[in-house]
Amino acid sequence: AQSVAQPEDQVNVAEGNPLTVKCTYSVSGNPYLFWYVQYPNRGLQFLLKYITGDNLVKGSYGFEAEFNKSQTSFHLKKPSALVSDSALYFCAVRDLSSASKIIFGSGTRLSIRP
Amino acid sequence: EPEVTQTPSHQVTQMGQEVILRCVPISNHLYFYWYRQILGQKVEFLVSFYNNEISEKSEIFDDQFSVERPDGSNFTLKIRSTKLEDSAMYFCASRGAGGTETQYFGPGTRLLVL
Repeated sequence: AQSVAQPEDQVNVAEGNPLTVKCTYSVSGNPYLFWYVQYPNRGLQFLLKYITGDNLVKGSYGFEAEFNKSQTSFHLKKPSALVSDSALYFCAVRDLSSASKIIFGSGTRLSIRP
Repeated sequence: EPEVTQTPSHQVTQMGQEVILRCVPISNHLYFYWYRQILGQKVEFLVSFYNNEISEKSEIFDDQFSVERPDGSNFTLKIRSTKLEDSAMYFCASRGAGGTETQYFGPGTRLLVL
């Protein structure tokens, strides 16, 4: 069965510093991986996805993620954090069933201090 | 940019009452989903819907739940007799026909069962 793990419940970063939110996955076959962000009292917004190709995927709001097959990781990164990046981040994998449901990680709360 | 919309944004109901949560998926999408997020927990898959029938459902989606696409635009989730533990944020999502298509989520309906 497909699954993702986010080992950190919370990540704290100073504004202007680089940030990394970690994610590891377990899939059979080729992984379809996603990052979503949830701002307070808001829905889930798509940030980026990896399907195939270049291991470095660029997404919205200056975020990027690096797919590493040998480490089965898909860490989310940003070179310079903004206070407005503070939110809950979910790593996810697409299930390979016909319905292709999304399986989410437990989420990581990112807090950027001024 | 097209987006998934959901109504109402908040719903408060008494235990045992029926509720209907409404979603308008992105217009050219063919796959529809409901997920829920109990406060402080991860996002969980409930059901997927394609070609006017349920394609997959989770163990959470018992006989108290049903989905319907009553016309060409709406996609509804009905809970027949709500329980306290149904209190959660419910997200609708949709995606296009391609195998690598992204699921886009609505803003959610926060359901509170008293």
